[in-house]
Amino acid sequence: DAKTTQPNSMESNEEEPVHLPCNHSTISGTDYIHWYRQLPSQGPEYVIHGLTSNVNNRMASLAIAEDRKSSTLILHRATLRDAAVYYCILRALVSDKIIFGKGTRLHILP
Amino acid sequence: NAGVTQTPKFQVLKTGQSMTLQCAQDMNHEYMSWYRQDPGMGLRLIHYSVGAGITDQGEVPNGYNVSRSTTEDFPLRLLSAAPSQTSVYFCASSYRGLGNTEAFFGQGTRLTVV
Repeated sequence: DAKTTQPNSMESNEEEPVHLPCNHSTISGTDYIHWYRQLPSQGPEYVIHGLTSNVNNRMASLAIAEDRKSSTLILHRATLRDAAVYYCILRALVSDKIIFGKGTRLHILP
Repeated sequence: NAGVTQTPKFQVLKTGQSMTLQCAQDMNHEYMSWYRQDPGMGLRLIHYSVGAGITDQGEVPNGYNVSRSTTEDFPLRLLSAAPSQTSVYFCASSYRGLGNTEAFFGQGTRLTVV
């Protein structure tokens, strides 16, 4: 299973954009890039996913590098409720397994 | 829709006891999986299933059994609980989609083995 690398923690000010990076240099051509987040004392929740093109939804945007070896989750205007652990995951075509890494703990400063 | 339902929410076991953690989903998802999360750590995959009658091991399968007799249910069995199995357990489900589907997670079962 391909691995992802994320910073352990990041800080951002409330109401400012946040860019969460993820490296996945061993990604295969058929792996989808997924992002999940886990709020305190809750189960993970889906944020966004993509294959090659940048993706937008109501929660966030996903920017994928042209070589697919890295991606960035963008929260356009962080709120205190966005404080969570964010996981970047590669979901394989063949197995469909979801393997979590250590994630990035995002702190939002009021 | 109820989504992914895990029961119980909390459980205390004595070492050597057995129990089953229940996971049910009402979304007709083919894929289901179990994770454990220890303090300060990410989630580790225990077992997963891509459909009724099919299960496979994840990263940390030892000490746990699973079966998948229906699409809706994916119970996790601890045959002889050990203190090392104290953890929070999460169940997840999704459509099979060659990596292209979102997963839904339950709210977790907090298990303490004394």
